[in-house]
Amino acid sequence: KQEVTQIPAALSVPEGENLVLNCSFTDSAIYNLQWFRQDPGKGLTSLLLIQSSQREQTSGRLNASLDKSSGRSTLYIAASQPGDSATYLCAVVQGGSEKLVFGKGTKLTVNP
Amino acid sequence: GAVVSQHPSRVICKSGTSVKIECRSLDFQATTMFWYRQFPKQSLMLMATSNEGSKATYEQGVEKDKFLINHASLTLSTLTVTSAHPEDSSFYICSASIRTSGGLRNEQFFGPGTRLTVL
Repeated sequence: KQEVTQIPAALSVPEGENLVLNCSFTDSAIYNLQWFRQDPGKGLTSLLLIQSSQREQTSGRLNASLDKSSGRSTLYIAASQPGDSATYLCAVVQGGSEKLVFGKGTKLTVNP
Repeated sequence: GAVVSQHPSRVICKSGTSVKIECRSLDFQATTMFWYRQFPKQSLMLMATSNEGSKATYEQGVEKDKFLINHASLTLSTLTVTSAHPEDSSFYICSASIRTSGGLRNEQFFGPGTRLTVL
């Protein structure tokens, strides 16, 4: 059974700092991996999707990497801003399935 | 593009009543829709997967007679919580999947969620 773990559970940084969020998964036979952002009481916003054949994806100040063989992904946020404060969720789709398996998320607080 | 809406955003009901939540893909046809629930400070747990015109597939431990899912069209799925109890209080989120040609992308787009409180 696929399990997704995110470390740390919570992170607080000063504005302007670069930071890395970590995600690991136990079964490397994934179809793709997605990073989402969730604001309190809200739904999910898709940030980046990495196909299993890809190594990384970039969007603005965000860069996500994928090392499928080691079961790891990282989300790099450059020059963090208070508006980046949210919970960041990592999720994988198992090969042969459409189901997303989520980690518990990392709650990020960027202090002005 | 790829916008998913949910209605209502918030509902409070009495124990024993039924509540219907709608999930719509506004600008695309969704091959598959998913229903999740999320408890406070927990991650999303998949409840069921639904494809248009066929019966939903429920995850282990989810009562199909309690959580009725109807997927009448490629843009609409509904979740009905029947005979709701306080323990059903949760945040319910739907998603819709786009499968591009060749099935390469298979990305899910999420609705804003529905907060259900059962008194």
